[in-house]
Amino acid sequence: DAGVIQSPRHEVTEMGQEVTLRCKPISGHDYLFWYRQTMMRGLELLIYFNNNVPIDDSGMPEDRFSAKMPNASFSTLKIQPSEPRDSAVYFCASSPRQGDGYTFGSGTRLTVV
Amino acid sequence: DQQVKQNSPSLSVQEGRISILNCDYTNSMFDYFLWYKKYPAEGPTFLISISSIKDKNEDGRFTVFLNKSAKHLSLHIVPSQPGDSAVYFCAASAHNDMRFGAGTRLTVKP
Repeated sequence: DAGVIQSPRHEVTEMGQEVTLRCKPISGHDYLFWYRQTMMRGLELLIYFNNNVPIDDSGMPEDRFSAKMPNASFSTLKIQPSEPRDSAVYFCASSPRQGDGYTFGSGTRLTVV
Repeated sequence: DQQVKQNSPSLSVQEGRISILNCDYTNSMFDYFLWYKKYPAEGPTFLISISSIKDKNEDGRFTVFLNKSAKHLSLHIVPSQPGDSAVYFCAASAHNDMRFGAGTRLTVKP
């Protein structure tokens, strides 16, 4: 089992550009989570999906952020336009159930300059 | 690769007693360690942390101990309360690259 796969591992982009982060959850996991990690706030839940349906996006900071899960094996987190304050590590996690059993991906380190 | 391991998936403790959650790591580059607590239907929330230059950090009922030579840290909760029932994630960080353990579900029985 390759685990939760995120790409890219690192992303450096200029302010104003569109950024798309990708995630492949573990097969059979019905829940997919996007987290943002910063040293100031620690780990923040942005959005999560259950069976490809967005359930709670209250953590999405603003309209510049959007996430999709077109099928059970793929999800994207898009930022358009990106801003320097979006610089953080973004984690995707999947789980067979809610509350525990999380498997996190290795994260995408985003730097917006 | 599991660089941070929480080998106990669950722990059950009686109210008022001590809860001890353990965590092991393999990467000696980790220099900052955190514990996150997660309730169902909520994202993990930061609980307590410790820098590698320390071996103990205390915050109210929560204390984190770090043993660098053994690459081991633990979270002590004294006294345990039913509201502490949650999943606890250990995390280790090096240069803002954070790795998490799989979590330990703590149940505090009244």
